[in-house]
Parts: sequence; structure tokens; C-alpha cells
Amino acid sequence: DIQMTQSPSSLSASVGDRVTITCRAGQSIGSYLNWYQQKPGEAPKVLIFGASTLQSGVPSRFSGSGSGTDFTLTITSLQPDDFATYYCQQTYNSPRTFGQGTKVEIK
Amino acid sequence: QVTLKESGPVLVKPTETLTLTCTVSGFSLSNPRMAVSWIRQPPGKALEWLAHIFSNDEKSYNTSLKSRLTISKVTSESQVVLTMTNMDPVDTATYYCAREGYCRGATCYAGYYFMDVWGKGTTVTVSS
Repeated sequence: DIQMTQSPSSLSASVGDRVTITCRAGQSIGSYLNWYQQKPGEAPKVLIFGASTLQSGVPSRFSGSGSGTDFTLTITSLQPDDFATYYCQQTYNSPRTFGQGTKVEIK
Repeated sequence: QVTLKESGPVLVKPTETLTLTCTVSGFSLSNPRMAVSWIRQPPGKALEWLAHIFSNDEKSYNTSLKSRLTISKVTSESQVVLTMTNMDPVDTATYYCAREGYCRGATCYAGYYFMDVWGKGTTVTVSS
């Protein structure tokens, strides 16, 4: 199984800040990397797939980059609606695996 | 409109078998570009992928839980069923089903699967 490791596990940031979350795969996964946002009591929502392609309806302040084993989710100018937990997921092969999550909290 | 809805027992006893059903609408389980996944999330913990099934009946399972899981589908009923045997209190979680595809609207990105539509989840508690 491909292990996915996110860092940090949590972070505190202010509205307007630039936030970067990292995801590392245990082996090369090309660009088969997705990012999800989850708010308390809700199902996750896909933000980015294929490492860098923005899902329809997702604000352009979200962006993804990377390939191989190292990936980044960036939120430019953090908004109040962005305080949530973010997960990376690989779909290079099965079984699919998720990172352990990064909780973005209000500073 | 694409929707998925999970259903099943709220409470199961230790050692019992859990059966969850995901009823989908707005797409067909025979669509070769899609699969249905099951994912769970224990309270306060991370997402854990459990299994998925494709239109051609290809299946894959979480390695650690493989011996306890079975996924199947009834295409005519638009249902995907997950069974988990020998339930334990550590299996207490919210269980989600999600559509897994590789198209965004009319544009497809062959092979780049992602979970684009999720059910609301169903909470299962394992307790005697």
C-alpha cells in the first residue's frame, strides 16, 4: 500500500494568510493525487484532482502542485470559509489511501 | 443531479456483521468511467478508504480489512452493498459512499480518478 504523509497535522492562520500544506507519497505516484476539504459534520469535498486541476466551482485561491512523491496544496489569502481539515489521497493504484489530514484553525 | 445515499443500522453488537447500502441516482453503475467507493471516519479521526467496485465488477479492498469486507453491486437497483464481518467497537465510525470518476463536466482526464460526489454518511456505533 502507498503511504501518504501530510504536514503539518495542524496549523493556525489568520484570514488573508497564505497557507501551504504538504503531502508526501511513499513511492512515486505521478500526478495521481487529490485534495479534499472537510468541514465538521460534513462529507469531504474534492478541491483538486490530478495534483493540479481545480474541480468545478472551487475558488481559484486554491492551487495544487507537485508530482512523483511530493505535493503541495496552497491557499492564497485564506478566507473564513477555508477553516477546515484537508486530506490528500492517491489514486495511482488500489487500495486508495488518504493522508492523515491537516486541520487549519483560526489564529 | 447525482446523489448517493448510505443506509444501514445505527447500532450493531460486537461480533455481528454490518451491512451497508449505497443507493445512487443520476448515474448508472454500468458506466465504465465510474466506480463507487466506501470510506469511513471514526470520531475525530482521519478518513480511511475501505473498498471500491467498478462497472465491470472489478473490486479492491483496504489491505488491513480485506478479510472482513465484501463489496457488491446490484446495477438494476442502483445499489452498492458493503458488508463488514466481526464488528468491534473500534469500527464505530461514519461510513460514506462516494462516486469515483475521472470526468469534470464534459471533460475527462483518463485514469485520474477522484471522488467527486459523496453521500452524507451514516453513523454506525458498535456496542453491546
